[in-house]
Amino acid sequence: DTAVSQTPKYLVTQMGNDKSIKCEQNLGHDTMYWYKQDSKKFLKIMFSYNNKELIINETVPNRFSPKSPDKAHLNLHINSLELGDSAVYFCASSQERGLDYGYTFGSGTRLTVV
Amino acid sequence: AQSVTQLDSHVSVSEGTPVLLRCNYSSSYSPSLFWYVQHPNKGLQLLLKYTSAATLVKGINGFEAEFKKSETSFHLTKPSAHMSDAAEYFCVVSGGSARQLTFGSGTQLTVLP
Repeated sequence: DTAVSQTPKYLVTQMGNDKSIKCEQNLGHDTMYWYKQDSKKFLKIMFSYNNKELIINETVPNRFSPKSPDKAHLNLHINSLELGDSAVYFCASSQERGLDYGYTFGSGTRLTVV
Repeated sequence: AQSVTQLDSHVSVSEGTPVLLRCNYSSSYSPSLFWYVQHPNKGLQLLLKYTSAATLVKGINGFEAEFKKSETSFHLTKPSAHMSDAAEYFCVVSGGSARQLTFGSGTQLTVLP
């Protein structure tokens, strides 16, 4: 069973469109994240949710809106897509167990805006 | 605040020779440190992590890393490189109440036959 699954794996769309990326984790983790990996492979956090509550919201355009219907799901909706949104988006989840905790990443969604 | 510096953007080694990927960090907290590997067009796989237990951490595929607080370093090593080790490696620090991850810029490891 896949621990953190993202759909779709690849997404090609035109500028101006609205699209969503879905993420689900079956690990029972409390916290979920979205990370963006740019063309230079640099990874940066976008959002973090803990038990459906937004706890991290980095400087991301308002066109990006995360939605967490329950603690196992964190979806990313993007309005009015721009060329610069082309990137690989990774979903992740984590669970704190005392001082030890771990992150599990999905396999990524490669978004190409044309 | 926290940051990670990976000192080499590219490292090239011959198969069977040792691997050293260097990482320095800074953190206002007691950090947790990770190394992740990303093979071409693949997701991120955890190699190993340090979370304030033993300073020498052993990971998967023969990799290990040593946490040196005095040097604020967490270098990744492997005694003998294999062709399948060719990938992008990320050093990552985590800390603070939100436990967010801060990634280094990555090191591309090439293994020559």
